[in-house]
Amino acid sequence: RKEVEQDPGPFNVPEGATVAFNCTYSNSASQSFFWYRQDCRKEPKLLMSVYSSGNEDGRFTAQLNRASQYISLLIRDSKLSDSATYLCVVSPLFSGGYNKLIFGAGTRLAVHP
Amino acid sequence: DADVTQTPRNRITKTGKRIMLECSQTKGHDRMYWYRQDPGLGLRLIYYSFDVKDINKGEISDGYSVSRQAQAKFSLSLESAIPNQTALYFCATSDPGTSYEQYFGPGTRLTVT
Repeated sequence: RKEVEQDPGPFNVPEGATVAFNCTYSNSASQSFFWYRQDCRKEPKLLMSVYSSGNEDGRFTAQLNRASQYISLLIRDSKLSDSATYLCVVSPLFSGGYNKLIFGAGTRLAVHP
Repeated sequence: DADVTQTPRNRITKTGKRIMLECSQTKGHDRMYWYRQDPGLGLRLIYYSFDVKDINKGEISDGYSVSRQAQAKFSLSLESAIPNQTALYFCATSDPGTSYEQYFGPGTRLTVT
């Protein structure tokens, strides 16, 4: 079983739609959670951190459910420029002076006119 | 100019050849990483380095070696390339205080025939 699992998609949605992605992780000791965005043939970039209380950044909302070990990302009012692959990233308990990042394989979003 | 650069961007090589991928950064970060990305799999860590004298194996280091020539330079070598090392390779950097936010280079697409 993969440590971080995501639905690969693609999610095909029209502009203006609301879309949500989920991600599950297997290590209950995981401490930190993030969403990265990766455009086609480009490098990943940090989109947002995910806090226990949830957090919002403009049209993007991230939620964490520790009991069920899943993370979600909600995108409201989708734009064409949101088309990308969204990587769920989990960091286990800090050890050895290094915050190891475990990446999911990503969920692809395609927003169409 | 990009903060993290990788050379070459694309490379086709034959089985058994030695190849080096190079990474340079101008962010002033001490921590550098090498990942590979394969379709359907998340980014997987090959090696990481906290400073010039500190190099550590990641989860898939077999068949690879690295060299940290300076704070700003981190090279990945494939001593004898094999076809299953065909992948997209990313270099990344981070600041010790926020190591969950990693800054990636543009990637090197390597094909081993």
